[in-house]
Amino acid sequence: TQLLEQSPQFLSIQEGENLTVYCNSSSVFSSLQWYRQEPGEGPVLLVTVVTGGEVKKLKRLTFQFGDARKDSSLHITAAQPGDTGLYLCAGAGSGGYNKLIFGAGTRLAVHP
Amino acid sequence: EPEVTQTPSHQVTQMGQEVILRCVPISNHLYFYWYRQILGQKVEFLVSFYNNEISEKSEIFDDQFSVERPDGSNFTLKIRSTKLEDSAMYFCASGWVQETQYFGPGTRLLVL
Repeated sequence: TQLLEQSPQFLSIQEGENLTVYCNSSSVFSSLQWYRQEPGEGPVLLVTVVTGGEVKKLKRLTFQFGDARKDSSLHITAAQPGDTGLYLCAGAGSGGYNKLIFGAGTRLAVHP
Repeated sequence: EPEVTQTPSHQVTQMGQEVILRCVPISNHLYFYWYRQILGQKVEFLVSFYNNEISEKSEIFDDQFSVERPDGSNFTLKIRSTKLEDSAMYFCASGWVQETQYFGPGTRLLVL
């Protein structure tokens, strides 16, 4: 069974700080997605990474896929209160129709 | 920007009743999915649908569940005889390629 472990579960920081969220597995994924989810809403796609070692940037967010495609990280530079939310990683397995396996999420709170 | 839509946003039903959850995927997408999220738990895969047939389903997706794409736009999930444990947020997702899935806002189902 493929599992994705996210850490930390909770993160409370001050505006302007940097942070990194981790997503780890013992399994290889063909791709990995990062989503952000607000309470009572659906996950909103932030990025998809496909190639081992791939790095993608989205403004102040930097996403990295591990070389072995078993792990990923999300780094936020100079966090702002608007970054507050639940960040989910989701891995797609190979050889199928790419059902997503979700992590439990990291809940981020950025205080002014 | 195109988005996945779902109706209803909330559904309350009695145990044993049938419910149909509706989704309109993004136009031109080829891959369709249903996921659910029990309160406080991970998002979990139910079923994937491609080329007018189920391509993969999870253990949760038993004989009480069915999916249909009755026309070129709608994608439905039917639960024939709801149980208390079916109470959850149900998300529809669609994608143009397998790696990238866009989620709808969800239907909150409460079974009494």
